[in-house]
Amino acid sequence: EVQLVESGGGLGQPGRSLRLSCTASGFTFGDYAMGWVRQAPGKGLEWLGFIRNKAYGGTTEYAASVKGRFTISRDDSKTIAYLQMNSLKTEDTAVYFCSRAGMVRGAPDYWGQGTLVTVSS
Amino acid sequence: DIVMTQTPLSLSVTPGQPASISCKSSQSLLHSDGKTYLYWYLQKPGQSPQLLIHEVSNRFSGVPDRFSGSGSGTDFTLKISRVEAEDVGVYYCMQNIQLLTFGQGTKVEIK
Repeated sequence: EVQLVESGGGLGQPGRSLRLSCTASGFTFGDYAMGWVRQAPGKGLEWLGFIRNKAYGGTTEYAASVKGRFTISRDDSKTIAYLQMNSLKTEDTAVYFCSRAGMVRGAPDYWGQGTLVTVSS
Repeated sequence: DIVMTQTPLSLSVTPGQPASISCKSSQSLLHSDGKTYLYWYLQKPGQSPQLLIHEVSNRFSGVPDRFSGSGSGTDFTLKISRVEAEDVGVYYCMQNIQLLTFGQGTKVEIK
């Protein structure tokens, strides 16, 4: 059974950084891309980005809204994907979901339960 | 950027009756590889999203056959042949021919 568990959420201060983790199990982690999507309170889904697997160079794609501020990485030995969020803004307040994703185009198939990030001073 | 527009934004359905959601993209989702990159997800209340349909019309593993997807180019439809109580939630279409973009979501409730 595919399982994705996000962690690292909580209260972050504007201008500071936060790193989210997504621990995966139940599938061969290195065979898949991993992605992140967020959902602000009461709003819809916003795609943030994804990272391909080593076979596809481990390259990353990002939404324009977070490019340069958010970084996705992965540690295949630990089966963890990360979302590094820098220069936090109050509008980054949201539930952050990680997902297993299609290797080339990053479409999510399985999703984690999400972790809440609140950015406030 | 490709914009995904869903209609209606909310839908109230009697159990056992059909339901239909439309999704239109601002550009064609047909790739030169012959595939059309349109997906449907359902987010049930209090849960994370789940994949229903990939590449227009392919049901994901475990998805009941009352769900079907159709369309081409820029116009797509998700149909539920007979709505059940467990189908309530928000339905999203998504494109990934050019990065990824979700539609605004369509909230489905039971009458």
